[in-house]
Amino acid sequence: DTGVSQNPRHKITKRGQNVTFRCDPISEHNRLYWYRQTLGQGPEFLTYFQNEAQLEKSRLLSDRFSAERPKGSFSTLEIQRTEQGDSAMYLCASSARDRENYGYTFGSGTRLTVV
Amino acid sequence: AQSVTQLGSHVSVSEGALVLLRCNYSSSVPPYLFWYVQYPNQGLQLLLKYTSAATLVKGINGFEAEFKKSETSFHLTKPSAHMSDAAEYFCAVISNSGYSTLTFGKGTMLLVSP
Repeated sequence: DTGVSQNPRHKITKRGQNVTFRCDPISEHNRLYWYRQTLGQGPEFLTYFQNEAQLEKSRLLSDRFSAERPKGSFSTLEIQRTEQGDSAMYLCASSARDRENYGYTFGSGTRLTVV
Repeated sequence: AQSVTQLGSHVSVSEGALVLLRCNYSSSVPPYLFWYVQYPNQGLQLLLKYTSAATLVKGINGFEAEFKKSETSFHLTKPSAHMSDAAEYFCAVISNSGYSTLTFGKGTMLLVSP
């Protein structure tokens, strides 16, 4: 297993365009998380999946954001009508059921730049 | 709700000097605490974690942290800094009561000079 994989690594898009990011978690992990990190800040929680169910969404996740995890495997995060304020690093993480003892494993992130 | 506060957005040390990065937590119930490191344009790598076992936790790359309930602290230390330790360090917390996600501090950038 190669850890958590995120694609693409970098994305530059024009304001108003839609973008989609993909995350492939560690195969045996049933929990998947999306975080957003802006320059000089710690990662901020966006949303959480347990298997295919989206169990929690942050208030940061506006109506333009949608996330899915079909069949409880990979996940996608879509941003519609991108704005310059969406420019950030989007991090995906996965964890096993016993997250407290094993922590989260993070991917390398997708850096989004909206121009 | 749980939170962590990292004191100092930047810490500068000389190679070979002691590294001390500070983290204080706020949690209404006993927390689980983590330190992560992030190198430029990379994701986060787990350094160490406290999960209510031993209060002194040893991690990778020679780092360790001590959980002090009386001070609500979980400071990260390393006896001798290496140039390769230069990175951003994040303290994070999960409450062990009910459901919650990992909450991060704002991070501390460690600068190591020769």
